[in-house]
Amino acid sequence: NAGVTQTPKFRILKIGQSMTLQCAQDMNHNYMYWYRQDPGMGLKLIYYSVGAGITDKGEVPNGYNVSRSTTEDFPLRLELAAPSQTSVYFCASSYSGRGKDTQYFGPGTRLTVL
Amino acid sequence: RKEVEQDPGPFNVPEGATVAFNCTYSNSASQSFFWYRQDCRKEPKLLMSVYSSGNEDGRFTAQLNRASQYISLLIRDSKLSDSATYLCVVGGNNDMRFGAGTRLTVKP
Repeated sequence: NAGVTQTPKFRILKIGQSMTLQCAQDMNHNYMYWYRQDPGMGLKLIYYSVGAGITDKGEVPNGYNVSRSTTEDFPLRLELAAPSQTSVYFCASSYSGRGKDTQYFGPGTRLTVL
Repeated sequence: RKEVEQDPGPFNVPEGATVAFNCTYSNSASQSFFWYRQDCRKEPKLLMSVYSSGNEDGRFTAQLNRASQYISLLIRDSKLSDSATYLCVVGGNNDMRFGAGTRLTVKP
C-alpha cells in the first residue's frame, strides 16, 4: 500500500494565482483531512470529509475549497493565493471518527506564495 | 489559552539520557490521546496512543492524568535516532487537536 500520497511536494505561487493540491489514499478510509502547519504552531484543520460527497469546514477554511467525489481522493483548492497561505499542507486519513482514531499523514506539500 | 500546550524546547540531551515531555489540554471532555513523532521536514507519524492506565512501548512510556488534564511521554536510554519533534494530540467526539510540538536533539 502506498498509504497517503500528495502532489506536488513543492510549489511557488504568485499572489492571486490558484492551484489544486492533490491527495489520495489507498487504505479505504472514510475520513480524510487537510491540515496546514506553520512554523512553531500545531497543525490546524482546514477541511475534512467523512465520506465521498460529504465535506465540512475545520478551524481555518477561509481561502480554500475541497471536494470528495471518491473515497480515495480529496483535493484541496486554493483560490486567489495570498502570502498568509504560505505553509506546509498535510493530507491525512483515518478509518473512523475525527477524534478517535490514528490519522495517517501524507508527505506534505510545501507552498510559498510570493 | 491554547487547547493543547507543550513546552517547545528544544531539549538537548546526551545519548543514554532519560527525557520527559509534558502536555496539558484544556477540554475536559477529550477522549483520546496520542503522541506523534515528526522528523524534520517530514509528516507526523503515530508514536503511541495514551491510555488511562498508562502504557509502555520499549523505551517509551506514556501516562495520562485526566484529573489534571495532563499527558506525559518518557524516553529512556535516548538514541541519536530519537531526535525529532514530538507532538501531543488530543481527540474528542469530533475533533483532533495538535500541540505545537517539543523538539528533541540527542547528541553523541
